Amino acid sequence: NAGVTQTPKFQVLKTGQSMTLQCAQDMNHEYMSWYRQDPGMGLRLIHYSVGAGITDQGEVPNGYNVSRSTTEDFPLRLLSAAPSQTSVYFCASSYLTGDTQYFGPGTRLTVL
Amino acid sequence: DAKTTQPNSMESNEEEPVHLPCNHSTISGTDYIHWYRQLPSQGPEYVIHGLTSNVNNRMASLAIAEDRKSSTLILHRATLRDAAVYYCILRSSGGSNYKLTFGKGTLLTVNP
Repeated sequence: NAGVTQTPKFQVLKTGQSMTLQCAQDMNHEYMSWYRQDPGMGLRLIHYSVGAGITDQGEVPNGYNVSRSTTEDFPLRLLSAAPSQTSVYFCASSYLTGDTQYFGPGTRLTVL
Repeated sequence: DAKTTQPNSMESNEEEPVHLPCNHSTISGTDYIHWYRQLPSQGPEYVIHGLTSNVNNRMASLAIAEDRKSSTLILHRATLRDAAVYYCILRSSGGSNYKLTFGKGTLLTVNP
């Protein structure tokens, strides 16, 4: 199993540009989520999904959209990037009622 | 979510035991105690979890106080690869049990 994969590893955007961060898992996990991590901080939950077709907001959802058309994929979209969205983004997955979450390697995003 | 308190940083020598404390005085009866760690430039990874009894696995041991208001993650012989930020997280067994709320964690430095 590849586990949780994220692309790209690094990205630089200009203010106002849009992009999609990709996340995929091959463990047939129902639950997937996106976190952001700013310097010296813990992770903060952006959006999550408890299954295909179902998404919900986390702690810091503004400026981000998500969709879940398949169990495997959970892309995160930035419609109009802002410098405040400069951060490292982590995707995670787990069984719906499981005890362990598996994290991807992260995407480091810089918005100029 | 119930809150956890951890020291900002700790230091250890290689091949010595490390005891990482966590206070969670407002823990509820259905909260599991989880530990994750984040190595430099990587996503968090699961370490161990428990409810009431002490737990052991190949990575670490978890000692839980009898009143459950505190716990200690024990690394029996620290290696340089154990240098990471360690997060103590409470996770309810009911309702929104798939969410993880990260604090700032404890930065563990391991000296050779």
